Amino acid sequence: AQRVTQPEKLLSVFKGAPVELKCNYSYSGSPELFWYVQYSRQRLQLLLRHISRESIKGFTADLNKGETSFHLKKPFAQEEDSAMYYCALSVGDSNYQLIWGAGTKLIIKP
Amino acid sequence: DTGVSQNPRHKITKRGQNVTFRCDPISEHNRLYWYRQTLGQGPEFLTYFQNEAQLEKSRLLSDRFSAERPKGSFSTLEIQRTEQGDSAMYLCASRPLGLAKGELFFGEGSRLTVL
Repeated sequence: AQRVTQPEKLLSVFKGAPVELKCNYSYSGSPELFWYVQYSRQRLQLLLRHISRESIKGFTADLNKGETSFHLKKPFAQEEDSAMYYCALSVGDSNYQLIWGAGTKLIIKP
Repeated sequence: DTGVSQNPRHKITKRGQNVTFRCDPISEHNRLYWYRQTLGQGPEFLTYFQNEAQLEKSRLLSDRFSAERPKGSFSTLEIQRTEQGDSAMYLCASRPLGLAKGELFFGEGSRLTVL
């Protein structure tokens, strides 16, 4: 079955510390993965996609097919990173279906 | 704001009543999606339009739910005979031709509370 798992509902780290938000997926095909972010009182917005291999707001994510993971990382957390983060999997045989994780709430302590 | 617009932002209704939500996608985005999100969960796919054609509905969507997108512009999601289990945030998203399937632009959502 296609599934996205974000094992941590809540992650709290101090400002300046490294951050790693975990995402594991289950999919037999070729995955396309995304991270979305939702800041307080704002809409869901795309943070990054694995295909582009870019760094957005200091965040990076590498697709590890062997471990079926797509963890989101940032070396030095900032207070403005506090938000809900969702990992999503696009299944290749569908034009519409995104499979979403339950999300991780990231709190950056000053 | 030229983003995806949803109305109303909040709706409180009594069980058994009908409710309708509207979504205005970003201009020229021919793909439109409806999702539902409950507390502590990620978005759950409901239905998808390409232009005015409703190409897919989730099997989880009961027959009390109906969506339309006349003329391929705005869309409406109607829930008939609401139940308390329908209480959720209803999200609309759109995407233009040419972007990857997962690159969606979301609205701020319409929160439904069924008493």
